[in-house]
Amino acid sequence: AQSVSQHNHHVILSEAASLELGCNYSYGGTVNLFWYVQYPGQHLQLLLKYFSGDPLVKGIKGFEAEFIKSKFSFNLRKPSVQWSDTAEYFCAVKPNQAGTALIFGKGTTLSVSS
Amino acid sequence: DVKVTQSSRYLVKRTGEKVFLECVQDMDHENMFWYRQDPGLGLRLIYFSYDVKMKEKGDIPEGYSVSREKKERFSLILESASTNQTSMYLCASSFEHSQPQHFGDGTRLSIL
Repeated sequence: AQSVSQHNHHVILSEAASLELGCNYSYGGTVNLFWYVQYPGQHLQLLLKYFSGDPLVKGIKGFEAEFIKSKFSFNLRKPSVQWSDTAEYFCAVKPNQAGTALIFGKGTTLSVSS
Repeated sequence: DVKVTQSSRYLVKRTGEKVFLECVQDMDHENMFWYRQDPGLGLRLIYFSYDVKMKEKGDIPEGYSVSREKKERFSLILESASTNQTSMYLCASSFEHSQPQHFGDGTRLSIL
């Protein structure tokens, strides 16, 4: 079965530290890739997406992600985190196959201390 | 901006009750989805719909059913609520099946 793995369940950083959250998926075909963020008490919102083209995609609030096809990975990065980045982050994969739905990872909680 | 509205933010029901969770989107999206979100388990898909009166089972459909009589509305039904259905329920919609989904604020449902 197709699956999405997020390696870190909980990440704790100080402000200005660099962030990298891992995401790997298990599907051999073409995929669309997403990172969603859920700030405390708010709804999930799209951080960035990759459909095709440049494998380095930039999203909102200074986040970026790199698609490495050979590694089935789509890691999220930010050079310098802020306290306001404290949230839960979800990687999601949509296989480009009829009848399939979006598959979410289990999420990574990021806590940033000021 | 897309608006996905879930009828209740918090809901408390008793075991055995029939529970209805309503979701409405205002962007004429074809696709609508119901998930439940539990700590450490992420989002799990319950049901989705690609068109009016059409539904597809997700990963965990047992104990749930859905209804989509109008394009903008997608209802989740707990036929006979049980305590293991206590969870946060999220509704989402998208214009096309591969496009990003837009989420509602969620309904935190407690079954006592």
